[in-house]
Amino acid sequence: DAGVIQSPRHEVTEMGQEVTLRCKPISGHDYLFWYRQTMMRGLELLIYFNNNVPIDDSGMPEDRFSAKMPNASFSTLKIQPSEPRDSAVYFCASSPRISETQYFGPGTRLLVL
Amino acid sequence: EDQVTQSPEALRLQEGESSSLNCSYTVSGLRGLFWYRQDPGKGPEFLFTLYSAGEEKEKERLKATLTKKESFLHITAPKPEDSATYLCAVQYNNNDMRFGAGTRLTVKP
Repeated sequence: DAGVIQSPRHEVTEMGQEVTLRCKPISGHDYLFWYRQTMMRGLELLIYFNNNVPIDDSGMPEDRFSAKMPNASFSTLKIQPSEPRDSAVYFCASSPRISETQYFGPGTRLLVL
Repeated sequence: EDQVTQSPEALRLQEGESSSLNCSYTVSGLRGLFWYRQDPGKGPEFLFTLYSAGEEKEKERLKATLTKKESFLHITAPKPEDSATYLCAVQYNNNDMRFGAGTRLTVKP
């Protein structure tokens, strides 16, 4: 298996622009997680899905953030409009069951100017 | 407040110098404690999962232990390739997940 795949790996955009991050989980994993990592706040859980359904989005910082999972092999995290404080590394992870190991993707490094 | 605290923030060791990293937590309803290794520019890589106090797991030079309040990651005779940031994460209550800030380990040859 190729592991969790994220794209793009790097994104540089200007404040106010829409940003879409993409994730392909490991096949057969029922859970998908989106995280954000910064030096100040460490790794924070934003939202997670079970069988394509959002279960807990309490970590989503603002209404500017939205996430979707239209099918078992694809998820997006969208920021609209983006702000400089959104600059961070965004990770996607997947796991077969909720209490089992989460496997992380390589991350998307986002810089908002 | 639910918290996960890792110490020390940074640790520098000579090759072969054994040591331990600490992860203390104040959460209710622990469901699992996870240790990850993260290399610069990469995503966290799974090391261990511990589910109950008294549990221990080993992998090569690493050994993880768990009590009711904390977990230790023991590194025996580390090598330079063990240099990385080590993260612990706690899953609790209704599947809430919280990560510690990590310990940045540097092993000098």
